[in-house]
Amino acid sequence: DADVTQTPRNRITKTGKRIMLECSQTKGHDRMYWYRQDPGLGLQLIYYSFDVKDINKGEISDGYSVSRQAQAKFSLSLESAIPNQTALYFCATSGDDGYTFGSGTRLTVV
Amino acid sequence: GDSVTQMEGPVTLSEEACLTINCTYTATGYPSLFWYVQYPGEGLQLLLKATKADDKGSNKGFEATYRKETTSFHLEKGSVQVSDSAVYFCALRPRDNTDKLIFGTGTRLQVFP
Repeated sequence: DADVTQTPRNRITKTGKRIMLECSQTKGHDRMYWYRQDPGLGLQLIYYSFDVKDINKGEISDGYSVSRQAQAKFSLSLESAIPNQTALYFCATSGDDGYTFGSGTRLTVV
Repeated sequence: GDSVTQMEGPVTLSEEACLTINCTYTATGYPSLFWYVQYPGEGLQLLLKATKADDKGSNKGFEATYRKETTSFHLEKGSVQVSDSAVYFCALRPRDNTDKLIFGTGTRLQVFP
C-alpha cells in the first residue's frame, strides 16, 4: 500500500455539487497538507494541519474546507464546486524524513 | 513574500545532452531548497535537496548547488536519458515552523532518443 493514498483518483462533478476528496497516510506524520496544481502555476497550498486540532488556511483556501478526522486522515471538501476548481489535487505529509505526496486526484467540474 | 522562479518549458533535448534548469528564489533568511520530479500520472518525488549555503544536493546524476550570493539552485545533469522525461519543480521551505513548501511553476523536460 502507498504511504499516502488519495481517493478518488479521478472525478467529474457538476457545478454546485458538494464533493469530498479523501487522503489517508501510513507514515505516522502529524503534519498534512492539501495542494492544488494548475498548468503553469505549480502547486499552491490550500490548507494544512499540524495535528487533529490544528488546521490552518493556505494561500488559496476560499471555496474549500477541510476535516482532520484522525492523525491518518485529512479530507478536502468543495462545498459548491465551480469550474475554475478543475485541477489536480495533491495530499502530502511531512515529518523528519521529509515530504511524501499522494498520487493526486484529478477533479473536473463541468 | 517568499517565492520561487524557474525557467519555463518545455525543455526538449536529445538523449545524452546536458541539462540545466534555472531556479532562483526570494526568501527571508536562509530557506531549505528542493527539486521535486513528477513523472506522468504520478505524484511528486523528492529528487534532491540542500539545507544551507554552498551545499550540493545530488541524486540519479542530477546536481544542484545552493548559491546564496545569487539566490539560485539550478538543476544540472551531464547526460540525460529518455527516462528523465518529466516535470521538475523547484521549491523552498522557509525557516519558520510551518514546514510549508513554496513551489515554482514547474519545467517540463522532454528527452528524445
